[in-house]
Amino acid sequence: QKEVEQDPGPLSVPEGAIVSLNCTYSNSAFQYFMWYRQYSRKGPELLMYTYSSGNKEDGRFTAQVDKSSKYISLFIRDSQPSDSATYLCAMTLSGGSNYKLTFGKGTLLTVNP
Amino acid sequence: DARVTQTPRHKVTEMGQEVTMRCQPILGHNTVFWYRQTMMQGLELLAYFRNRAPLDDSGMPKDRFSAEMPDATLATLKIQPSEPRDSAVYFCASGPETAEQYFGPGTRLTVT
Repeated sequence: QKEVEQDPGPLSVPEGAIVSLNCTYSNSAFQYFMWYRQYSRKGPELLMYTYSSGNKEDGRFTAQVDKSSKYISLFIRDSQPSDSATYLCAMTLSGGSNYKLTFGKGTLLTVNP
Repeated sequence: DARVTQTPRHKVTEMGQEVTMRCQPILGHNTVFWYRQTMMQGLELLAYFRNRAPLDDSGMPKDRFSAEMPDATLATLKIQPSEPRDSAVYFCASGPETAEQYFGPGTRLTVT
């Protein structure tokens, strides 16, 4: 079993839809959780960063962490064609100098006008 | 607008040649990471540095890859000799003393 599992999609939705992207993980020691957005032929861009469990909202984006289920989600409200990209989840252990990120393989999202 | 910069952006080389990729981390960041991205494997960590000291290079094929930080503004990744299986996009990322990492635009390497 991989440490981080992410459905690769592709996921295609109409403009204005609510998008739900998910990752599951196996290592209960993960404490920091991130979502990156990667446009075609670009570097990953940090979207959301959360510590431990709970929700975090930033504009149209909401990140949720459920540590009891080892499950994280990213919700995009009122999706736009400009949201079309690959979304990667990432996570790391807590504390010290160990900030090695473990990434999911990414979900390709297309938002159709 | 602080960004990680990488050079070159594209590199095509023949098998057996040396390849050097360079990265300038964001000023003030003290952690630097090298990743390789392929369709099959996704993003793989090759090496990372904290305060210019190598902390982990277990993801790197040591017989041909080497990573260094000669100073706080420059990180290098070298492949010698290069092989076709090294063809990938190589990303550098930097971060402050937290888990956040900020990626550069990548170097797209093709080894023929």
